[in-house]
Amino acid sequence: EAQVTQNPRYLITVTGKKLTVTCSQNMNHEYMSWYRQDPGLGLRQIYYSMNVEVTDKGDVPEGYKVSRKEKRNFPLILESPSPNQTSLYFCASSLSLSPYEQYFGPGTRLTVT
Amino acid sequence: AQSVTQLDSHVSVSEGTPVLLRCNYSSSYSPSLFWYVQHPNKGLQLLLKYTSAATLVKGINGFEAEFKKSETSFHLTKPSAHMSDAAEYFCVVSEWAGGTSYGKLTFGQGTILTVHP
Repeated sequence: EAQVTQNPRYLITVTGKKLTVTCSQNMNHEYMSWYRQDPGLGLRQIYYSMNVEVTDKGDVPEGYKVSRKEKRNFPLILESPSPNQTSLYFCASSLSLSPYEQYFGPGTRLTVT
Repeated sequence: AQSVTQLDSHVSVSEGTPVLLRCNYSSSYSPSLFWYVQHPNKGLQLLLKYTSAATLVKGINGFEAEFKKSETSFHLTKPSAHMSDAAEYFCVVSEWAGGTSYGKLTFGQGTILTVHP
């Protein structure tokens, strides 16, 4: 089944403790992206990757890191999480960027205390 | 620079009546525009997309949207609402210049659609 998977789905952590949220797609998609969703703000793009070893900042990259060493994986790293990073995170992929459909993962709900 | 404004944060309709969700965009180049739907506790699903072909775009579940360049709008409509349409809807813009996308997608703030029996 074609899908985007994210792990973990739920995470509660403390300020400053490094964490990684994994994202994997099995569709051989070139483009992958991370978003955070906050009430009233819609989804905001954190980072995106046009292909392996090619990443770029979205609208809200501060406090996040990404890497794209393999085509299928695009992990999101929070080196020192803070409470303002409490959010719902989505990973997405598409064959390329516009005009192709983006396929979204199920989301990761992160709480930083 | 690109931006999207969804003009209503909440829309409430009765089952069987028309739906109109409004979206205005701003883009320095030729935009691609999308509507996505998010049902409660679910991921996002593409409803429809505009990519410089026909200005009236038909999507899934009876939804359609019309690209109006002069008004910089991309409103989403459906002739008759169904209870299952209750969800949050996002308008999305991606800039597209010279056959190469810039890679950034910008989402609107979302419109929550409530459908009453």
